Amino acid sequence: QKEVEQDPGPLSVPEGAIVSLNCTYSNSAFQYFMWYRQYSRKGPELLMYTYSSGNKEDGRFTAQVDKSSKYISLFIRDSQPSDSATYLCAMRARGAGGTSYGKLTFGQGTILTVHP
Amino acid sequence: NAGVTQTPKFQVLKTGQSMTLQCAQDMNHNSMYWYRQDPGMGLRLIYYSASEGTTDKGEVPNGYNVSRLNKREFSLRLESAAPSQTSVYFCASSGGPGLQGRGYEQYFGPGTRLTVT
Repeated sequence: QKEVEQDPGPLSVPEGAIVSLNCTYSNSAFQYFMWYRQYSRKGPELLMYTYSSGNKEDGRFTAQVDKSSKYISLFIRDSQPSDSATYLCAMRARGAGGTSYGKLTFGQGTILTVHP
Repeated sequence: NAGVTQTPKFQVLKTGQSMTLQCAQDMNHNSMYWYRQDPGMGLRLIYYSASEGTTDKGEVPNGYNVSRLNKREFSLRLESAAPSQTSVYFCASSGGPGLQGRGYEQYFGPGTRLTVT
């Protein structure tokens, strides 16, 4: 079983829709949770970051973490064609110091298309 | 400020050939990483270097070697390429220990598309 599971989609929605992207994980040591966005033929870039449980909002994007259920979500409101990309969740354990510092575990990525 | 750069952008190899993928960062980051990305598999860590002078295996190290040449550069070598190594390879870097705030955040290069026939 993979440590992080993410539905690969693909997901296709009309412009203006609310999009929900999700990941589940099995490692209870994960404390830092991130969402990366990757446009076609580009490298991933960090979109959202949350620490432990709770919500974080940034413009049209909201990240939620539910550690009790080992479940994280990314919501996109008023989706735009420019949001079309692959979204990857990523996680790391707290206190992963020394040689493990910064080591992230990624989900498989969800391909999202927002059509006009 | 170029961030993370990778060369080459594209490469086609025959089975058994060797090659080195180059990566450099100009952000003075301590840690560097090599990933491969395959359809439906997400990003899988091949090797990483937490700081200059150290390297460690990731999830899928077999068939690869790395060298942390200096703080800026981290290369990935395929000694005898196999078709299973056909993939897109990404290099990334992050601030590393001692930095406040988001020192863990990884910055990615544009990738190298490798085909092994």
